[in-house]
Amino acid sequence: EIVLTQSPGTLSLSPGERATLSCRVSQSVSGTYLAWFQQKPGQAPRLLIYGASGRATDIPDRFSGSGSGTDFTLTISRLEPEDFAVYYCHHYGTSPPLTFGGGTKVEIK
Amino acid sequence: QVQLVQSGGEVKKPGASVKVSCKASGYTFPNYGITWVRQAPGQGLEWMGWISTYNGNTNYAQKLQGRLTMTSDSSTSTAYMELRSLRSDDTAVYYCARGGRTVASDYWGQGTLVTVSS
Repeated sequence: EIVLTQSPGTLSLSPGERATLSCRVSQSVSGTYLAWFQQKPGQAPRLLIYGASGRATDIPDRFSGSGSGTDFTLTISRLEPEDFAVYYCHHYGTSPPLTFGGGTKVEIK
Repeated sequence: QVQLVQSGGEVKKPGASVKVSCKASGYTFPNYGITWVRQAPGQGLEWMGWISTYNGNTNYAQKLQGRLTMTSDSSTSTAYMELRSLRSDDTAVYYCARGGRTVASDYWGQGTLVTVSS
């Protein structure tokens, strides 16, 4: 089973700062099937990035994804107040089992 | 607009079964599979499995094999997730989501809280 390890566990930043979230995969995967989700308390996850770097519908361009192989990154260029949330990376695709990373909480410093 | 509407919360005793529904609208149901994900209180997301709403093929997480059944009904555009022999650690919010195989899960249901308690 592919394991996704996210770091850091918690990121304490101020509005306007840049956030860089990491997702390391235990074995090389196609970036075609790497996604990032945002989740706020009491809400369902929201798709931000698919295919490692594709921005989902209505997602602001301050969110960007990059990476390949075993290392992937979600960058939020300038944090807005509504961006403080938990972020999950996810390996999806045609080779189950599929997995989520443990999450990174972006909190207000 | 695309919507996934799930059935309401459930309270079950250990050993019982639960069946959660997920009614889709706003798109052609057989064109996208349905993924089920759960989240225990204060914990992360756990992939449970996926069903093709086109032909009924399924993939389940190994830890849930034997207790989990996913089905779908194209006549009502509804997917179902049934979990049997419930234990206290099955207490979680259960989500359905569109896609999750060749396309990322872009639309999610509102979640269904299943509480397992004696």
